[in-house]
Amino acid sequence: QSVLTQAPSASGTPGQRVTISCSRSSSNIGSIPVTWYQQVPGTAPKLLIYNNNQRPSGVPDRFSGSKSGTSASLAISGLQSEDEADYFCAIWDDSLNDWVFGGGTKLTVL
Amino acid sequence: QVQLVQSGSELKEPGASVKVSCKASGYTFTAFALNWLRQAPGQGLEWMGWINPNTGNPTYAQGFTGRVVLSLDTSVSTAYLQISSLKAEDTAVYYCTRDAFSSCSKTNCFDYWGQGTLITVSS
Repeated sequence: QSVLTQAPSASGTPGQRVTISCSRSSSNIGSIPVTWYQQVPGTAPKLLIYNNNQRPSGVPDRFSGSKSGTSASLAISGLQSEDEADYFCAIWDDSLNDWVFGGGTKLTVL
Repeated sequence: QVQLVQSGSELKEPGASVKVSCKASGYTFTAFALNWLRQAPGQGLEWMGWINPNTGNPTYAQGFTGRVVLSLDTSVSTAYLQISSLKAEDTAVYYCTRDAFSSCSKTNCFDYWGQGTLITVSS
């Protein structure tokens, strides 16, 4: 079974750069596109990054995605208080015919 | 503007059924697949399945065959999620979301979401 692992928490101070990682247990993420979602508590998730590193219109370029080997990463530069949220990575797993989500990383802006 | 508006919260007893609606507006309803996900309290996201708005054909995630039925009414641009034989562990916020495959470089991504519907299963 494919599992995406994320650290449960991360933190940073305003202006800092933080990175949130997402690793796949079963095999190399390889060519599988990774998406990232931001969820402010009590609201619906918001699409942040698609196809590993592309931002939808309206998402600030402070947010960037990358991928290497078995892991994908979301970087947030120039951290702002409104970035405090939960961040989830996700992939479509062809072998399972299922969307697999990471457990989420709760980002705290100190 | 694109909107997905879901029906309101519900409290159900174990064994009952529930039907959640998701009304789409601001885009051509048949152009985008609709997916359903749920999020148990304090937990992550769990994909339940999707429905093809052109054919009405649903596809269910492995853990959701049997008690879950996805349907839609294209005349009112609305998708439905029905869950039967509810259990306490079905308590969650349920989301509908649009798969914007064509807008996401031919990869699957969920670009618009409903506001969520809290289903509480308790006696």
